[in-house]
Amino acid sequence: GQNIDQPTEMTATEGAIVQINCTYQTSGFNGLFWYQQHAGEAPTFLSYNVLDGLEEKGRFSSFLSRSKGYSYLLLKELQMKDSASYLCAAETGANNLFFGTGTRLTVIP
Amino acid sequence: GAVVSQHPSWVICKSGTSVKIECRSLDFQATTMFWYRQFPKQSLMLMATSNEGSKATYEQGVEKDKFLINHASLTLSTLTVTSAHPEDSSFYICSAIGTSGRSDTQYFGPGTRLTVL
Repeated sequence: GQNIDQPTEMTATEGAIVQINCTYQTSGFNGLFWYQQHAGEAPTFLSYNVLDGLEEKGRFSSFLSRSKGYSYLLLKELQMKDSASYLCAAETGANNLFFGTGTRLTVIP
Repeated sequence: GAVVSQHPSWVICKSGTSVKIECRSLDFQATTMFWYRQFPKQSLMLMATSNEGSKATYEQGVEKDKFLINHASLTLSTLTVTSAHPEDSSFYICSAIGTSGRSDTQYFGPGTRLTVL
């Protein structure tokens, strides 16, 4: 079967750093996506990792270890607007995404 | 670039009626469109994949006669929920891959919230 695990909820302080972990077990794997989803809205693309290692994009960075089936999303200098759900999704085949249930991040002042 | 729109953004209907949801790629040609459903506090679940001009491929457990998908052009796909029932109430989201942005990334529409009374 296929499975993606990520924490259900996290809380962090404005200006701080938070790391959202994701582990996956899938029958096929091409790469790992992270999406941000505000309540009642569609997901927006944050990052896509294919190779092992860290990819940095502004305040957001994403890491992948294919051998460990593990990824994390790192958010720096947290802002109130970063309060949202963060979805980890494994690309299991050509354009096929298997989503985790998401991590609801709350940023507090 | 890579903007996807959906219409309507929300709809309320009576049980037994049919509802059509449109998904459009505004500034690119969408060779493939995807339809997802998301229940409250749950993950996005892929319902079907459609390529322009061909029949949609449905995921296991999704009734193709109930959820009719038409991808008649490179910028438009429609999902029709036929004979809707309260358990079909959900957030329906489409996404598209095409000729804009990253070819390996799905760009999502804003979603349609369906409530069946």
